[in-house]
Amino acid sequence: EAGVAQSPRYKIIEKRQSVAFWCNPISGHATLYWYQQILGQGPKLLIQFQNNGVVDDSQLPKDRFSAERLKGVDSTLKIQPAKLEDSAVYLCASSLRSGYNEQFFGPGTRLTVL
Amino acid sequence: DQQVKQNSPSLSVQEGRISILNCDYTNSMFDYFLWYKKYPAEGPTFLISISSIKDKNEDGRFTVFLNKSAKHLSLHIVPSQPGDSAVYFCAARRIQGAQKLVFGQGTRLTINP
Repeated sequence: EAGVAQSPRYKIIEKRQSVAFWCNPISGHATLYWYQQILGQGPKLLIQFQNNGVVDDSQLPKDRFSAERLKGVDSTLKIQPAKLEDSAVYLCASSLRSGYNEQFFGPGTRLTVL
Repeated sequence: DQQVKQNSPSLSVQEGRISILNCDYTNSMFDYFLWYKKYPAEGPTFLISISSIKDKNEDGRFTVFLNKSAKHLSLHIVPSQPGDSAVYFCAARRIQGAQKLVFGQGTRLTINP
């Protein structure tokens, strides 16, 4: 079974630039999550999708972050414009359904904002 | 508002000995707890979990203990092996309403030969 795929693995940009991350969840997983993990902290949920609908985006900074999940499969997370404090690892995870306890994580995208 | 806390950023244990990682939580509504393990440049992987109706769950070398009155859980690894060297995250959630996972800051475990 293929795991959660993410790209790119690393990205370096300057502040005020835009960046996008891509995630392909495990086949058949209805729920997709985007997490932000700042160095020295645990992952923090940014947004949760159930199929292509948003379940929870309460911690997503909506003035600069956006996410979509087209056709209930792949997802993209965008930051525009980026700030220095956005430097973090962005993790995508998926699970069979919302409320299912085990989430499977991708390798993450390490973003550095200069 | 750190609802899940892992107060030890790092822990060093000799191979073959027991590793004990601790986690405290403040939200009494949490009723399901998980431990994740993370190697460098990889995403976290699920290790073991426990429901609030239990006080212990065991899976091979890994045991999780839950003390609800103290709002404390711990992960025991015995015997510790070099491959156990990783960052361990504690996470908690409310089952009802499919509430999100809340993670602790992580503890870096190093197993010394």
